[in-house]
Amino acid sequence: DGGITQSPKYLFRKEGQNVTLSCEQNLNHDAMYWYRQDPGQGLRLIYYSQIVNDFQKGDIAEGYSVSREKKESFPLTVTSAQKNPTAFYLCASSSSGGGRGDFEAFFGQGTRLTVV
Amino acid sequence: ILNVEQSPQSLHVQEGDSTNFTCSFPSSNFYALHWYRWETAKSPEALFVMTLNGDEKKKGRISATLNTKEGYSYLYIKGSQPEDSATYLCALPISSGSARQLTFGSGTQLTVLP
Repeated sequence: DGGITQSPKYLFRKEGQNVTLSCEQNLNHDAMYWYRQDPGQGLRLIYYSQIVNDFQKGDIAEGYSVSREKKESFPLTVTSAQKNPTAFYLCASSSSGGGRGDFEAFFGQGTRLTVV
Repeated sequence: ILNVEQSPQSLHVQEGDSTNFTCSFPSSNFYALHWYRWETAKSPEALFVMTLNGDEKKKGRISATLNTKEGYSYLYIKGSQPEDSATYLCALPISSGSARQLTFGSGTQLTVLP
């Protein structure tokens, strides 16, 4: 089945440790995104990538890092520099679409990260 | 940061009621508007992608309209059912150099009471 797979579903991390969240898609999409959701808030963009070996910071990139070495993979590392990492993280992908941005995004099931 | 506003934040309706909610956005540099439905314990799924002023799209009991000149879109649900309970998100792609990022509103959480 085509889709986006995020793993793990739940993740616990000790303060001061880096942790990497996995996101894999087999939809042949060029663009991939990482979002964070906190209680009572919408989805905030952390990083996005329009093409392999290229990515841009979103609105809340501080304390996070990404890589895009393969088209199907866009892992997110939550570093110890992220002050408040406990949150729900969603990965998404989309085709490049037309110039007007008429591409729908497809989402993974998310990873809930808790810092203990 | 593109300001995408959704209202109301939450809504409770009785089964069979019709309802609607709003997504507001800056009208300049408009590319497209997306509506997504996010049910509990599932992934968000696209409902509509709208690009033209005056667009109206329909999927079953759900429809959406778009006014790019005044910067708003309405999502309507006719005869709400408990399975319509979800968070409804709107999103707009904005350009940043050669890339385009999808920016979401905070969503409207709909609860349909049986």
